[in-house]
Amino acid sequence: AQSVSQHNHHVILSEAASLELGCNYSYGGTVNLFWYVQYPGQHLQLLLKYFSGDPLVKGIKGFEAEFIKSKFSFNLRKPSVQWSDTAEYFCAVNVAGGGADGLTFGKGTHLIIQP
Amino acid sequence: GAVVSQHPSWVICKSGTSVKIECRSLDFQATTMFWYRQFPKQSLMLMATSNEGSKATYEQGVEKDKFLINHASLTLSTLTVTSAHPEDSSFYICSARDYLETQYFGPGTRLLVL
Repeated sequence: AQSVSQHNHHVILSEAASLELGCNYSYGGTVNLFWYVQYPGQHLQLLLKYFSGDPLVKGIKGFEAEFIKSKFSFNLRKPSVQWSDTAEYFCAVNVAGGGADGLTFGKGTHLIIQP
Repeated sequence: GAVVSQHPSWVICKSGTSVKIECRSLDFQATTMFWYRQFPKQSLMLMATSNEGSKATYEQGVEKDKFLINHASLTLSTLTVTSAHPEDSSFYICSARDYLETQYFGPGTRLLVL
C-alpha cells in the first residue's frame, strides 16, 4: 500500500515570502500525485495534479509542483505567498491506472501567512 | 465545473439511530465515488469506494454493515451510518472521480451522535 509523508505540519511565513512544502510518498509502482488545499471553513479544492509527462506542473493561484521520481517527492512551491494562501494543504497519491483507486493523503500542512 | 454537493451539511442524532448522507456530482457523471472520514486536525482516511451499479469496496477496518453505501446512479452515492454511536461522530467527505481520474470533493457532512 502507498503512504504519503508531509514533513512540515505547521508553517508560518510573511507575505511575499517564497513557499516550499515537502511531500514524499512510498510505493513501488507508478502513481498519480495531487495537491489539495482546504481554506478555513471550505471544502478541499484541487490545486494541481501530476499523472505523466513534464514533471513540473503548474496549478491554480500561482502554485507549482515538481515530481522528482528518484526522490519519490512532489514538493509544492509558490514564489510569493499572499495572506489569502492561509489554509491547510494536503498531498495525496493513488495508483496510476488504478481506475477506481481512492486517494491516500498526507497528514497535511497548516500554512499561516502573516500580513 | 466539477462540483460535488453533500447533504446534509451537518446532522445531530441520538445514539442508535441511522443517518443517511447524500453525495451528488452536479455537472458531471461519476461511475466511481469515494467516502472519506476526517477526524479533527487530522487527514482524510479513505473508508470505501462506491461503484455505480455494483457493491462498494471497503477499506480494511471499516465495517460494511455499519456504513452502508449505495451508488444507484451516475450522479448519486449515499452513505448510511446505521445504529450510530458517539464514536461515529466525525466529518464525512465524499469525492467523485471524473473520466480523467481526478477526484473532486464535496463540502463534507459533520455528524454528531449524542
